Parts: sequence; C-alpha cells; structure tokens
Amino acid sequence: GAGVSQSPSNKVTEKGKDVELRCDPISGHTALYWYRQSLGQGLEFLIYFQGNSAPDKSGLPSDRFSAERTGGSVSTLTIQRTQQEDSAVYLCASSWSRLAGKYEQYFGPGTRLTVT
Amino acid sequence: AQTVTQSQPEMSVQEAETVTLSCTYDTSENNYYLFWYKQPPSRQMILVIRQEAYKQQNATENRFSVNFQKAAKSFSLKISDSQLGDTAMYFCAFMTDMNYGGSQGNLIFGKGTKLSVKP
Repeated sequence: GAGVSQSPSNKVTEKGKDVELRCDPISGHTALYWYRQSLGQGLEFLIYFQGNSAPDKSGLPSDRFSAERTGGSVSTLTIQRTQQEDSAVYLCASSWSRLAGKYEQYFGPGTRLTVT
Repeated sequence: AQTVTQSQPEMSVQEAETVTLSCTYDTSENNYYLFWYKQPPSRQMILVIRQEAYKQQNATENRFSVNFQKAAKSFSLKISDSQLGDTAMYFCAFMTDMNYGGSQGNLIFGKGTKLSVKP
C-alpha cells in the first residue's frame, strides 16, 4: 500500500518568509509525528497527534512553529518568519494507535528546507 | 529524561563480513521499546528491527539481530553477511510504552552511526 508522503520534497525560501510543509500519513494510521533532522542537533521530535486528542507540542522549538491535522489525516507544519537555523530536513511519521499496541512508526521521505 | 547514545560515529565493514553497531540508553522506565532505523542517502527512514523491553529473547530479522541487555541498558545491532545495500546511517531509537503510563509518544534517537560496506 501507499506509504507516508510529504510535499514538497525540497523547499528554498528567503529568511523571514512563512513556509508550509505537508504530510499525508498511511491510511488508517491515527498517530502522526513531526521530527526535524539537522546536522548539529540530529533527529528532534517536534509534535505528536493522536486521534482527536490535543497534540503533544512539547518539542516545538519556538512559537514560530505550529502544526495542525485536519480530519484526522493530513497534517501541515507551518514555520513563520523563517530563520537560517530552521534549515533542516523535516520528517513526518505515522503509526497505528499506540494504545492498541501497534507502535511502529513509518516515515515519509522528508522535506529539505533551506532558508537563504 | 531518556537519552540514547551511539558511540561510533562511523564504521566500515567488508562485504560478506559481520559488523556490530553499539547503542546505550538511559531511562527510569521499565516498559519501553527499542528500534534500529536505517537511513540510506535517499533520506527515507526504514525500520530495521524492534525489541520490546519485556521480552527477554533477542529480536532477529533475517541478517539483522540485536543483543538486548536490559540491566546494562544496551541494545546493539549485528549485521551478518553485510551487503553493499546496507551502506547507510543507522539510528538507535527509544520509545516509552504508553500502555504502562509512559508519557512520551515520540521516538528519541541517538546521533547515528554511518556504516560503509566496502566491496
């Protein structure tokens, strides 16, 4: 079946502009995660959605970062007023409900964001 | 807070040989999961193998096996009969078990080990 998809694959933006990154999880997966991968910081958790529960935003690095998940499926990560330190690969992952004991996360190919 | 440490930034192995990648972690939880993910140059993160902490038996998946030492908080990955396609970054990851009161829903990753398989 179809895996996790992300768009765009690459995004170049100017400092100060807003960007939106999209994630389409595997159909039926109720949990969705965003991670950031950068050379200096490795892989960092950003935000986690589980069904209709309030998201776990504990990993968002600043209030310039926000994410939403519409209809329990597609998610958009928005970065406002981008800074050069936001340059990284943004990875999305999805899984079945953790509470159902199905916990493996499947990753998308990522969006490489470059802020100039 | 949980942490994951991979002490080998880079490793190389000859094709058909065996290599072991190290991982240690720190947690006060008793129930959790451990994973090894592979990330080739294509950037796609691929799950290699997983281990439930409550299971004493080490997980195996074809040429990949783990040595899980819960008391030592160690979780190494052994790759047998290494193939050129195994060349990739390998990440060790930890996740708490929310069914047992774990509060973290996300994976916590080590810094990775870059593995090169040489012909």
